[in-house]
Amino acid sequence: DTEVTQTPKHLVMGMTNKKSLKCEQHMGHRAMYWYKQKAKKPPELMFVYSYEKLSINESVPSRFSPECPNSSLLNLHLHALQPEDSALYLCASSHRTGSMNQPQHFGDGTRLSIL
Amino acid sequence: DAKTTQPNSMESNEEEPVHLPCNHSTISGTDYIHWYRQLPSQGPEYVIHGLTSNVNNRMASLAIAEDRKSSTLILHRATLRDAAVYYCILRSGGSQGNLIFGKGTKLSVKP
Repeated sequence: DTEVTQTPKHLVMGMTNKKSLKCEQHMGHRAMYWYKQKAKKPPELMFVYSYEKLSINESVPSRFSPECPNSSLLNLHLHALQPEDSALYLCASSHRTGSMNQPQHFGDGTRLSIL
Repeated sequence: DAKTTQPNSMESNEEEPVHLPCNHSTISGTDYIHWYRQLPSQGPEYVIHGLTSNVNNRMASLAIAEDRKSSTLILHRATLRDAAVYYCILRSGGSQGNLIFGKGTKLSVKP
């Protein structure tokens, strides 16, 4: 069991749909992250939130819209996705950003399929 | 950002020790060496990290070369559950401490 909970575990959506991925942690962490992982590839960083503010956007297309409504929750809003966006989306948290000796805690991801 | 080099895959027998190597010849003095692993159908899991000295925890040991240009993750007694992709990652100020994953080593454990 992980301490970072992601819902849903699986999501199938059409290219015109709007959906949201959710991530929750109750470890008091103030840094939260979204990663994208294609099949048989390593995770790639998408967004970083620090104290509920977006601090890093790794040139992610605007069809992905992150939101951090409070220190425990992180959402990823999806709209007009493309088939190549099908991937495992991972959420992670850590005590704070920029701390090189603190681990990140990952959820088990949402497996997204775009039809 | 400093990069790491790991073998694509390794095999081990159950209940035997496993030594997973990682080369990081361009490491800087303030870079931390982190290891994560990802079991099938799960998110990455933190294993261990170190700066200069060898480190031990309940999961593994980390041996860091004196010149810090390489390190080795040691699983003392492999189990079937240790079959995973193991990532060696340098965390540096240049990347704001973020995790930049390389390709990792896929470890297979034979019964």
